[in-house]
Amino acid sequence: KQEVTQIPAALSVPEGENLVLNCSFTDSAIYNLQWFRQDPGKGLTSLLLIQSSQREQTSGRLNASLDKSSGRSTLYIAASQPGDSATYLCAVNERNTGNQFYFGTGTSLTVIP
Amino acid sequence: NAGVTQTPKFQVLKTGQSMTLQCAQDMNHNSMYWYRQDPGMGLRLIYYSASEGTTDKGEVPNGYNVSRLNKREFSLRLESAAPSQTSVYFCASSTNLGEQFFGPGTRLTVL
Repeated sequence: KQEVTQIPAALSVPEGENLVLNCSFTDSAIYNLQWFRQDPGKGLTSLLLIQSSQREQTSGRLNASLDKSSGRSTLYIAASQPGDSATYLCAVNERNTGNQFYFGTGTSLTVIP
Repeated sequence: NAGVTQTPKFQVLKTGQSMTLQCAQDMNHNSMYWYRQDPGMGLRLIYYSASEGTTDKGEVPNGYNVSRLNKREFSLRLESAAPSQTSVYFCASSTNLGEQFFGPGTRLTVL
């Protein structure tokens, strides 16, 4: 069974710092990988989707990379802001198991003003 | 365009009571999902539906039933609630490329 790990579980940085969040997965036969943001008490908001044939995707200050062979993805956040404080989740999709997603437990990010 | 909507937002049940969680999406997606989110365990798939008229079990289906009423609606039913089903429940739908979109969640407490 696919296992998705996100380390660290929590991260605190000063405003303006660039930072990297990590996601690792055990089975490289994935269809795609998606990064989400979750604010306390809210649902998940899609940030970036990377197809298995892609190496990276960018949206504004966010850049996500994918290395299938090593089972890793990173989410790079440039010039962090207090409004970036949230939990960030990654999920891998194994199409061959019926379009199921496997989620990590997330990294809780706090950006200190 | 409301995206994915869920009702109710909050619910308290007594052990043994039943209830149905409602979910609807207006993005014309074929696939829909029900997850539960528990502290320290991440999101776990309960059931999913790849298309109207089909449903399949996910990782934790015991104690739940689902109905894919039409392309828009996918409901989750608890027939006899147990305290172990206290959780936050999320409905999601996905595009044909597998990008998922989530509803705001239902916070369920079973006493």
